[in-house]
Amino acid sequence: RKEVEQDPGPFNVPEGATVAFNCTYSNSASQSFFWYRQDCRKEPKLLMSVYSSGNEDGRFTAQLNRASQYISLLIRDSKLSDSATYLCVVNRGGGNKLTFGTGTQLKVEL
Amino acid sequence: GAGVSQSPSNKVTEKGKDVELRCDPISGHTALYWYRQSLGQGLEFLIYFQGNSAPDKSGLPSDRFSAERTGGSVSTLTIQRTQQEDSAVYLCASSEQGGANTGELFFGEGSRLTVL
Repeated sequence: RKEVEQDPGPFNVPEGATVAFNCTYSNSASQSFFWYRQDCRKEPKLLMSVYSSGNEDGRFTAQLNRASQYISLLIRDSKLSDSATYLCVVNRGGGNKLTFGTGTQLKVEL
Repeated sequence: GAGVSQSPSNKVTEKGKDVELRCDPISGHTALYWYRQSLGQGLEFLIYFQGNSAPDKSGLPSDRFSAERTGGSVSTLTIQRTQQEDSAVYLCASSEQGGANTGELFFGEGSRLTVL
């Protein structure tokens, strides 16, 4: 079983739609969680951290469910510019490395 | 520029040749990471440098892979006797100390390696 698992998609949604991605992680000792965004043939960039209490940044909401070991990302009012691959990222036990999922591809269409 | 710089951006080599990939991190960042990303795969951790500490080499896939970081700044990833399965995008990232806890890794655009 992979340490971080994501549905690869693609998720094809119309502009203005709300879309949600889930990600599961296998190591219960994982302590820090993040969402990264990667545009086609570009480098990954930090989108937002995921806090236990849930957090929101504009149209983006991230949530963590430790009991079920999953994190989610909700995007409201999707824009064409949101089209990208969203990477679920986990740091287990405060170590030196981040473990990345394979990503979920989002395509926002007119 | 102020970002992480990697070179070459593209490298095509023949099987069995050695290659060197270079990473110039953001000035002042003490942590440096190498990852690789194969087609349809997630980022795979290779190696981590933090200041003058011994590097975490736990992700290097074989002894054909090595990396060094001179003077706490520029890093070189060397792949000896390249194989076709080494074909991937090699991504370098840097961060301030504790970047893996804050998630604030800054990636370069990567070096795309193709082994024929």
